[in-house]
Amino acid sequence: QKEVEQDPGPLSVPEGAIVSLNCTYSNSAFQYFMWYRQYSRKGPELLMYTYSSGNKEDGRFTAQVDKSSKYISLFIRDSQPSDSATYLCASGGSYIPTFGRGTSLIVHP
Amino acid sequence: NAGVTQTPKFQVLKTGQSMTLQCAQDMNHEYMSWYRQDPGMGLRLIHYSVGAGITDQGEVPNGYNVSRSTTEDFPLRLLSAAPSQTSVYFCASAAGASGANVLTFGAGSRLTVL
Repeated sequence: QKEVEQDPGPLSVPEGAIVSLNCTYSNSAFQYFMWYRQYSRKGPELLMYTYSSGNKEDGRFTAQVDKSSKYISLFIRDSQPSDSATYLCASGGSYIPTFGRGTSLIVHP
Repeated sequence: NAGVTQTPKFQVLKTGQSMTLQCAQDMNHEYMSWYRQDPGMGLRLIHYSVGAGITDQGEVPNGYNVSRSTTEDFPLRLLSAAPSQTSVYFCASAAGASGANVLTFGAGSRLTVL
């Protein structure tokens, strides 16, 4: 079992929907939590970064970490077709992050 | 500012051939790493380096060699290619050991081994 688990999807939603992407992790020592976005045939790019528990908001994106339940979430408000991509969660306690398998998101017009 | 540059973008090899995937970064990052990405498997760490002259194995190191003679470059060598090494390879770098969680990725190298 991987240390970071993520449902691969695909998740298909209509434009304008609120999207919830989730991961769970098993290592209590993890302190860093990231979301990367990867467009088709491109490299992953950092979307959100949080340290320890709590929420972080950036425009239409909100990252949430609940360390008590070891749950990582990414919310996308007013989703757009340009949000269609694979979203990778990642977590780490030292300098090497552990990645989930990624969730494929499709936002259709 | 180019970031992380990988070459080649595409490569086809025959079983048993060797080759080197190149990775260069111009951000003066201490930490560099190589991942492979396969369908349903996510990103798996092959090798990493925390500075020039220092390398270590990741989750799936067998069949691959690395070296780090300069801060900028971190080549990945396939010693004797096998069909199981067909994958997309990503090089990633980060500012330092404490900030290595925030990775900057290259565009990827797509390798097919026949």
